[in-house]
Amino acid sequence: GAVVSQHPSWVICKSGTSVKIECRSLDFQATTMFWYRQFPKQSLMLMATSNEGSKATYEQGVEKDKFLINHASLTLSTLTVTSAHPEDSSFYICSASRGPQGAYEQYFGPGTRLTVT
Amino acid sequence: DAKTTQPPSMDCAEGRAANLPCNHSTISGNEYVYWYRQIHSQGPQYIIHGLKNNETNEMASLIITEDRKSSTLILPHATLRDTAVYYCIVRVQKLVFGQGTRLTINP
Repeated sequence: GAVVSQHPSWVICKSGTSVKIECRSLDFQATTMFWYRQFPKQSLMLMATSNEGSKATYEQGVEKDKFLINHASLTLSTLTVTSAHPEDSSFYICSASRGPQGAYEQYFGPGTRLTVT
Repeated sequence: DAKTTQPPSMDCAEGRAANLPCNHSTISGNEYVYWYRQIHSQGPQYIIHGLKNNETNEMASLIITEDRKSSTLILPHATLRDTAVYYCIVRVQKLVFGQGTRLTINP
């Protein structure tokens, strides 16, 4: 149990276009979902936290108008990278949790590799 | 969230127990200790978590000191597939990743 999927697993897009990444919890209801970004040879950096039905909370330095997050249901969250540029190329990883508190495990998706040309 | 300190890298022989230390001296009473690992180019994998007591599951054991200022993750019989970056995280709500320990299991 506790499987999280992401789609697509990799995507290449042209500079200036927008890309949507989906994150789904397949066998549990995720009250809270998280989006991370990871550059090569670096650790994961938390971008934002989203709770179902409410606006996402973004970490300091993350542009909310550029990285649009929607958590419309208990099993689906989407991250849209708008007007992508080469510096947005990264490994994007989502995670899902049954609750926001520390007592609940976060389960991670396999990641989406975005390359902006 | 409290900060954690881990050695940047460790080596362990296949079949032996791998003991990964973590210091979290500023941990507060409601923060859980979580361990995840990340194999190259994959999403992090949950291993184990605990609050005060030692915990064991099918993957590993977690030993938390009585003062909760440090913990040790134990992989009892390491295999080559356990080679990964291991992250120790203290968490109230969100998981904030540090640099982790790069564990290499040698044949």
